[in-house]
Amino acid sequence: QVQLKESGPGLVQPSQTLSLTCTVSGFSLTSYNVHWVRQPPGKGLEWMGRMRYNGDTSYNSALKSRLSISRDTSKNQVFLKMNSLQTDDTGTYYCTRDRGYLLPYDYWGQGVMVTVSS
Amino acid sequence: DIQMTQSPPSLSASLGDKVTITCQASQNINKYIAWYQQKPGKAPRLLIRYTSTLESGTPSRFSGSGSGRDYSFSISNVESEDIASYYCLQYVNLPRTFGGGTKLELK
Repeated sequence: QVQLKESGPGLVQPSQTLSLTCTVSGFSLTSYNVHWVRQPPGKGLEWMGRMRYNGDTSYNSALKSRLSISRDTSKNQVFLKMNSLQTDDTGTYYCTRDRGYLLPYDYWGQGVMVTVSS
Repeated sequence: DIQMTQSPPSLSASLGDKVTITCQASQNINKYIAWYQQKPGKAPRLLIRYTSTLESGTPSRFSGSGSGRDYSFSISNVESEDIASYYCLQYVNLPRTFGGGTKLELK
């Protein structure tokens, strides 16, 4: 069955770099798009960026200077790296997929909580 | 970027009530709106796509409607398992944007 699972450090120091991995199963990264979405504690959802099925990437313009998304199709993994972390980057980070153009997210990972603190 | 203005931010209902949430887009999104339910500590769950198409497993007490810029989501006969937060999402273009969310509580 379709599964996505985020992994990464729960605590990151301010100004450091966050590295997260989304490991997928039940579908191919060369057929589906994978997105990263984050949610500050008690707040709403924010789209961060997308790894398209063909390897193209798109980023939220507010995060673009700090964010990088890449993948390893042989390992069924999508990676997020974001530098210069600040306390307002604290939140739950989700990876999710869509089935293609003009289709919404259907499956989500469980999320990983990231706290930015010294 | 398309902004999604969702209201109300919170809603208090009794079991069996009908509740309605609205989302207004800053431009025409051609019915490409989805509605998600999120319970504490869980990922969002897709309930409705393309304005009114219920996903498999979504109870028929959930419904959606709208066009152009204005959309609504309703729950008829609220049940205890419906207590959650709800978000709209426009997916007509990038960046995909969510509404601010509506927290449904029991009166």
